[in-house]
Amino acid sequence: DIQMTQSPASLSASLGETVTIECRASEDIYNGLAWYQQKPGKSPQLLIYNANSLHTGVPSRFSGSGSGTQYSLKINSLQSEDVASYFCQQYYDYPYTFGAGTKLELK
Amino acid sequence: QVKLLQSGAALVKPGDSVKMSCKASGYTFTDYIIHWVKQSHGKSLEWIGYINPYSGGTNYNEKFKSKATLTVDKSSSTAYMEFSRLTSEDSAIYYCARSGPYGGYFAYWGQGTLVTVSS
Repeated sequence: DIQMTQSPASLSASLGETVTIECRASEDIYNGLAWYQQKPGKSPQLLIYNANSLHTGVPSRFSGSGSGTQYSLKINSLQSEDVASYFCQQYYDYPYTFGAGTKLELK
Repeated sequence: QVKLLQSGAALVKPGDSVKMSCKASGYTFTDYIIHWVKQSHGKSLEWIGYINPYSGGTNYNEKFKSKATLTVDKSSSTAYMEFSRLTSEDSAIYYCARSGPYGGYFAYWGQGTLVTVSS
């Protein structure tokens, strides 16, 4: 199985700040990577697919980048509604696997 | 708009089975694969498997192959997952999710079904 190592596990940032979350795959996943946001008590919501494509309706302050085994999610100008957990997921190979998640809080 | 409406919470005894549903609306049901994902309390996500509503074809995570059975009813645009021989380790929230048009990511999610296994 492809292992997804996500960092950091938790993150504290101020409003307006730019934050970056990283995800490393145990092998090349050829941009088969998605990012999800999950707020407490809610289901995950797709933010980014194919490593860098913004899902419909997602604010442009979210962006994804990377290639090979290294990927990142960047949130520009952090808003209060961005407080959530974030997960990466590879869909290059079965079984699909997720990172352990990053919990983002306001400082 | 795309909606996936899942069945309500279930309290089941160890050794029993549970069958949960996921009713799709807002798109052509047979055009997109339905995935199922497990989220144990406070933890990350695990992909269980998928079903192709058009063909009925399935693909399971080896970890859940003897545990989960995926089916669909095209007439009602509903996907089902049956989980058998339940143990406390199966207590979790189970989500159905619809695939996107460009790959195996999960573009839309149901609200989740909480399964609690307890005697």
